[in-house]
Amino acid sequence: EADIYQTPRYLVIGTGKKITLECSQTMGHDKMYWYQQDPGMELHLIHYSYGVNSTEKGDLSSESTVSRIRTEHFPLTLESARPSHTSQYLCASSPGLIYEQYFGPGTRLTVT
Amino acid sequence: GDSVTQMEGPVTLSEEAFLTINCTYTATGYPSLFWYVQYPGEGLQLLLKATKADDKGSNKGFEATYRKETTSFHLEKGSVQVSDSAVYFCALSRASGTYKYIFGTGTRLKVLA
Repeated sequence: EADIYQTPRYLVIGTGKKITLECSQTMGHDKMYWYQQDPGMELHLIHYSYGVNSTEKGDLSSESTVSRIRTEHFPLTLESARPSHTSQYLCASSPGLIYEQYFGPGTRLTVT
Repeated sequence: GDSVTQMEGPVTLSEEAFLTINCTYTATGYPSLFWYVQYPGEGLQLLLKATKADDKGSNKGFEATYRKETTSFHLEKGSVQVSDSAVYFCALSRASGTYKYIFGTGTRLKVLA
């Protein structure tokens, strides 16, 4: 049973607010990922981490930032939310580069 | 470059019908192949996987065979249920050279009672 958690599940927030989306996993995985999923279902990798103090930007340019100061925790921050940030955000982790990824339930963000 | 192409949806079937969702890939080396499923309001979860040519992955009545000669990994199920209604993603990963993990664009399946 995969144990990866995301909070909040749903968030409605006004333009200009700072937000942090939380992601935690209890599996001890080094590899963690953030994806943005658009309404057409396609997944876009926005950030990834291969271990503590390691973070990289993904394929899709994003104004968000991430940190990895503990193995189990990989939060995503938006300093100033905009309506264009409205989307579903999925966090995932993996025991290795070529293995399956375990996904959290997602955070659906709406910026008004 | 590496890519995954899966059939566009939505796919609408009656209960107990046979399901095929096509997936083809382009990759250097020998990738691992995966099918994930996403139910409404949830994240993706692994459905099945295959790590080398001719491997067959199976789970919950779903099957897919890694065909290197046709670079395909088609998902099949003999008799679908209403509860199979979801979005299905094909994906590949490879670690030779530059690491890649690529998802297809997803295929929505709707099964009618």
